[in-house]
Amino acid sequence: NAGVTQTPKFQVLKTGQSMTLQCAQDMNHNSMYWYRQDPGMGLRLIYYSASEGTTDKGEVPNGYNVSRLNKREFSLRLESAAPSQTSVYFCASSEITGSYGYTFGSGTRLTVV
Amino acid sequence: DQQVKQNSPSLSVQEGRISILNCDYTNSMFDYFLWYKKYPAEGPTFLISISSIKDKNEDGRFTVFLNKSAKHLSLHIVPSQPGDSAVYFCAASAINDYKLSFGAGTTVTVRA
Repeated sequence: NAGVTQTPKFQVLKTGQSMTLQCAQDMNHNSMYWYRQDPGMGLRLIYYSASEGTTDKGEVPNGYNVSRLNKREFSLRLESAAPSQTSVYFCASSEITGSYGYTFGSGTRLTVV
Repeated sequence: DQQVKQNSPSLSVQEGRISILNCDYTNSMFDYFLWYKKYPAEGPTFLISISSIKDKNEDGRFTVFLNKSAKHLSLHIVPSQPGDSAVYFCAASAINDYKLSFGAGTTVTVRA
C-alpha cells in the first residue's frame, strides 16, 4: 500500500544546479499535482496534470518544468535552482471527481545554497 | 492573493477540551471544502470534508461547519487528544474543478 512515493526525501543544491524530483502513485489515479509548502504560505500549486498526456501551470510555475511520463509518474524539474526555491515539495494524486481530495507523498525537503 | 485564509497560525488547547479551527474563503465558486492534517516530516492526510449543499458534517470527534453566507468554515475537535497535535490545512475546490486551494495552516498543540 505505497500510495504516493517521492524521491529523494532530502536534497541540497547549489545555485544554478539542476535536478528532477520524482513522484509515482500506485492508486490508478488520473490526476497528479506538485505543491510547495513555505512557512506562512501554506501549500501552493506549481503544476498539475489532469490526465496522462496533459500538464498545466498552477499558481507558482516559474522556474519549474514537469513531465507526466505515464499514468503513474509525474516529475518536477528545476533547470537552474535558486535560493527562492528552497522549500518542501509535495506530490499528490487524485481521482478527478474523488470526494476525498488528494493523496499526498511524504515530501522532498530541498535546500538551495 | 490567497483565496483560502486561516488567520490563526497556532492554537494551544488542553487535553479533553474543544479545539476550534477557523477558515475563511473569498471565491464564491468554491463548493467543496476539506480539512487535512499534517504531522512533521509527513505529507498531509485527509481528515474530513463538506459539500456546499450541507452546513455540517460529523465524523467521530471531528465536525466541520460551513456558513456559506459568511464564506466561513470551522473544524471542531472534541475532545482534543495529544495525537491531534499537528498542522491543520483548510482547502477548497471550485465547481467542476479538481484543483485544491489551501490555506496557510494552523498548528494545534494539545497540552496534557
